Amino acid sequence: EVQLVESGGGSVQPGGSLRLSCAVSGITVTSNYFSWVRQAPGKGLEWVSIIYRSGSKYYADSVKGRFSISREDSDNTLHLHMNSLRAEDSAVYYCVRDQWYYLDRSGYYAFDHWGQGILVTVSS
Amino acid sequence: DIQMTQSPSSLAASVGDRVSITCRASQSLYNSLNWYQQKPGRAPKLLIYAASTLNSGVPSRFSGVGSGTHFTLTISSLQPEDFATYYCQQSYDTPRRTFGQGTKVEI
Repeated sequence: EVQLVESGGGSVQPGGSLRLSCAVSGITVTSNYFSWVRQAPGKGLEWVSIIYRSGSKYYADSVKGRFSISREDSDNTLHLHMNSLRAEDSAVYYCVRDQWYYLDRSGYYAFDHWGQGILVTVSS
Repeated sequence: DIQMTQSPSSLAASVGDRVSITCRASQSLYNSLNWYQQKPGRAPKLLIYAASTLNSGVPSRFSGVGSGTHFTLTISSLQPEDFATYYCQQSYDTPRRTFGQGTKVEI
């Protein structure tokens, strides 16, 4: 059974830093794509960052230069390092597996497994 | 960046109703469109990928159609457990995975 369990959330002051972790079981972090998705209170879903099997990393413009995604292969864990945090970064952060499907000679991606989410609050 | 627009933002329906939600993209996605269901306090759940393929375990009352820039999620007979917020997501513009703003289905 695939499980994604986030940790490391909490309250931090503006300008501060936080590191989120996602413990993965049932699959390996090196064989899959993973993203972080966030949801501000009462708002919709926002894709934040992705790490490919190759180790390539990409970020939403809203977090580029401040957030960094990484993985620890030995622990089968993902991380999201968040620096220079702002009030607008307050959200529930989800770790998700980005699954690739092959249909009718074409490939498609979708988030098929989600963690339970972890709350980050940025406030003075 | 590809913009995703869902309509309506919310709707009220009764058990047994047929409900449809529309998602429009600012440029063609071909079939790279996913639908998710989210209940309060829970993580989203994948319902449909590639515009019309039901994810494993999803009831057949859910269906998706569309291609290009216009997509529709339909629930053929609304059940009590279907009251939730539904999101579309494009997966054409990789690595970005833009979501629509959501549609809340209420009683």
